[in-house]
Amino acid sequence: DTEVTQTPKHLVMGMTNKKSLKCEQHMGHRAMYWYKQKAKKPPELMFVYSYEKLSINESVPSRFSPECPNSSLLNLHLHALQPEDSALYLCASSQNAGAGYNEQFFGPGTRLTVL
Amino acid sequence: GQQVMQIPQYQHVQEGEDFTTYCNSSTTLSNIQWYKQRPGGHPVFLIQLVKSGEVKKQKRLTFQFGEAKKNSSLHITATQTTDVGTYFCAGKSNAGNMLTFGGGTRLMVKP
Repeated sequence: DTEVTQTPKHLVMGMTNKKSLKCEQHMGHRAMYWYKQKAKKPPELMFVYSYEKLSINESVPSRFSPECPNSSLLNLHLHALQPEDSALYLCASSQNAGAGYNEQFFGPGTRLTVL
Repeated sequence: GQQVMQIPQYQHVQEGEDFTTYCNSSTTLSNIQWYKQRPGGHPVFLIQLVKSGEVKKQKRLTFQFGEAKKNSSLHITATQTTDVGTYFCAGKSNAGNMLTFGGGTRLMVKP
């Protein structure tokens, strides 16, 4: 299984809502990532988990809260988002983190709209 | 911090023409990766280059890593409509730990 899955595919939420994005991989990868991608822009790294521990937080606002319940799952909890947070949220995994030598496998993304 | 720039931003070609995108880093890279993102899709890994001056080929795609390990290029020979998408380079510097993506080159192919 060389797939990263993400749910939901689309999400529309108000600024007072709380929602969660989910990501799963069964490749035995020990590094998982959250990226944010705006239209016609490259993916921007948000968080990196390595061996289920948060290793990189790229100064992301606290209204985004990542969680790694186990080595296969990665969640992104959303609360009190702003309209400018509307974007495609991509999850990725790689064999391990830190070396940067490993290819990253991306999921299909969750397209988020904040009203 | 590390910056990775790609040119051109956009390229329209007639099917059958060649296409090249260039990637330049502000710092020396330990490796560079290339990804393709189809319209409405997600980035898909194409290749990784590690050695200075390395050249790798995948069918009609040729990837090069500069001697100084600060630049890279992707060349597509005889483009096809299936080549449509945005091509991103992503580099890892010797100092940093993570990949930095270039801005991408969006390729459009007219049949």
